[in-house]
Amino acid sequence: GQNIDQPTEMTATEGAIVQINCTYQTSGFNGLFWYQQHAGEAPTFLSYNVLDGLEEKGRFSSFLSRSKGYSYLLLKELQMKDSASYLCAAVFDRGSTLGRLYFGRGTQLTVWP
Amino acid sequence: DSGVTQTPKHLITATGQRVTLRCSPRSGDLSVYWYQQSLDQGLQFLIHYYNGEERAKGNILERFSAQQFPDLHSELNLSSLELGDSALYFCASSAEDRGLTGELFFGEGSRLTVL
Repeated sequence: GQNIDQPTEMTATEGAIVQINCTYQTSGFNGLFWYQQHAGEAPTFLSYNVLDGLEEKGRFSSFLSRSKGYSYLLLKELQMKDSASYLCAAVFDRGSTLGRLYFGRGTQLTVWP
Repeated sequence: DSGVTQTPKHLITATGQRVTLRCSPRSGDLSVYWYQQSLDQGLQFLIHYYNGEERAKGNILERFSAQQFPDLHSELNLSSLELGDSALYFCASSAEDRGLTGELFFGEGSRLTVL
């Protein structure tokens, strides 16, 4: 829903940097989340952006451009354990009873040794 | 451990049957969300309850229903099950009502297989 698009798959090698992009429709937008999900497990929160700019949290950073309807998740110094699906999720219509979180289909990242 | 508890973890049943999935939110969280995740789809929002009241509905089929009880646990009822209902069903909780400014805490999910 809400045209949240992200690549289906990406691969990278240990120690490298990878950027996972996400685009969404801007109408009614009010916040962007990134979640990590290992196969068969629950999604876990990585980051939240509501204002334009870069949020850095250790090896992971997330960027948002509200006017462009664009976000990316940057993963540095990749480790094997980073192999997982990365879910982009956006909040629409926040502040009303319709506020809800829509998820993209996820980007399956495989990290090779 | 997110603090959100879902039961059962796995469930295998036949077409036409009815099942109930249960969720206990994190202590203090008043909002419960249900999501469905199948192989060919992302996480699909089903329904949101806040303090016992339905707040928002997503792509929830009429064969599905949910409720949140006074002790804040929630149940998702799936009836007249079809093969396509096989999926992981996640419950998530948050402290917030109208919108989200922080993370959702997800349970481990209930994997439903309909044969």
